[in-house]
Amino acid sequence: DAGVIQSPRHEVTEMGQEVTLRCKPISGHNSLFWYRQTMMRGLELLIYFNNNVPIDDSGMPEDRFSAKMPNASFSTLKIQPSEPRDSAVYFCASSLQPREQYFGPGTRLTVT
Amino acid sequence: SQQGEEDPQALSIQEGENATMNCSYKTSINNLQWYRQNSGRGLVHLILIRSNEREEHSGRLRVTLDTSKKSSSLLITASRAADTASYFCATDSSSGSRLTFGEGTQLTVNP
Repeated sequence: DAGVIQSPRHEVTEMGQEVTLRCKPISGHNSLFWYRQTMMRGLELLIYFNNNVPIDDSGMPEDRFSAKMPNASFSTLKIQPSEPRDSAVYFCASSLQPREQYFGPGTRLTVT
Repeated sequence: SQQGEEDPQALSIQEGENATMNCSYKTSINNLQWYRQNSGRGLVHLILIRSNEREEHSGRLRVTLDTSKKSSSLLITASRAADTASYFCATDSSSGSRLTFGEGTQLTVNP
């Protein structure tokens, strides 16, 4: 298995632009998680899905953030409009609950 | 605040020495997991210990759990330069799905 796949690996955009991050979980996993990691705040859970259904989005910072999982093999995290404080590394992880999580390589987002 | 808090924040040792990292948490858990993160990479699962277990081993890793003290420790024996990374503990609560990660311990193993 290729593991969790995220794209793009790096994204540089200007404030106000829309950003879409993509994730392909490991085949057969039934849970998908989006995290954000910064030096100041550490690793934060933004949202997670079970069987493609959003279960807990309490970590989503504000309405500018939205996430979808249209099928078991694909999820997106969208930021619109983006702001400089959104700069971080965004990780997607998947698991076969209730087991360990497998993380993707992350997307490093820079908003200027 | 973070459910898990690692101690120390940073640890520097020589190759061959043992490294011990500690984690404390606040609420009841189903299990506790340890992850490693190399610089610029995603987290990698190392080991899981269930709340009814006291000790788990995996290769050079040994994890202990003391639920009465709400604490866990990760021991890496005979460390190698390749063990240099950040180590995080993560706990799950009653729902079993959501993990809460600590702030991590940065381990540096000098060759």
